[in-house]
Amino acid sequence: SQQGEEDPQALSIQEGENATMNCSYKTSINNLQWYRQNSGRGLVHLILIRSNEREKHSGRLRVTLDTSKKSSSLLITASRAADTASYFCATDNTGGFKTIFGAGTRLFVKA
Amino acid sequence: DVKVTQSSRYLVKRTGEKVFLECVQDMDHENMFWYRQDPGLGLRLIYFSYDVKMKEKGDIPEGYSVSREKKERFSLILESASTNQTSMYLCASSPSGTGFNQPQHFGDGTRLSIL
Repeated sequence: SQQGEEDPQALSIQEGENATMNCSYKTSINNLQWYRQNSGRGLVHLILIRSNEREKHSGRLRVTLDTSKKSSSLLITASRAADTASYFCATDNTGGFKTIFGAGTRLFVKA
Repeated sequence: DVKVTQSSRYLVKRTGEKVFLECVQDMDHENMFWYRQDPGLGLRLIYFSYDVKMKEKGDIPEGYSVSREKKERFSLILESASTNQTSMYLCASSPSGTGFNQPQHFGDGTRLSIL
């Protein structure tokens, strides 16, 4: 299975609610990244968290990393219709030179 | 802002044709990547390059080749297109660093259909 696997596969919420997406991975990492992809477009980098960090914020985004559980979560607070997109986690592995993307979580925010 | 430009948003080709997908970045990045994206499979790395004229195979290089003659340009070549290569192709670039841990900047993708 993939290095990064997002959960849930799809999420539908009302505008103003918080959205939480999770990512699990299998091997040790140097960092973990989250990306967003609007329909029919390329990926946009959101945030990078290093293996020695536990939490990071960027605007309405909050990312946590638990290396003991090999998992990360992305929280979007006060969601907006414009947050509708697919969200991907991406990991490296300490022994390699590749970034490995999960299959993504599709978020739909209803106005 | 970094701009990664892919030459075509949509492309339709026939089986057996040789297909060229072009990608240009304007931020002097050392690393460039080609991915394909299929529903439920996420992004899969086809090839990457960490310098001019250098290339490395990714996870699914079969049926593809690449060319990087200039730092800003990375081309993906389908030697003899087949229907199972119908997909969204994404190009990305990133600056050099430890491994490939830097954030990648993506183009808008080329949706390729092979008939």
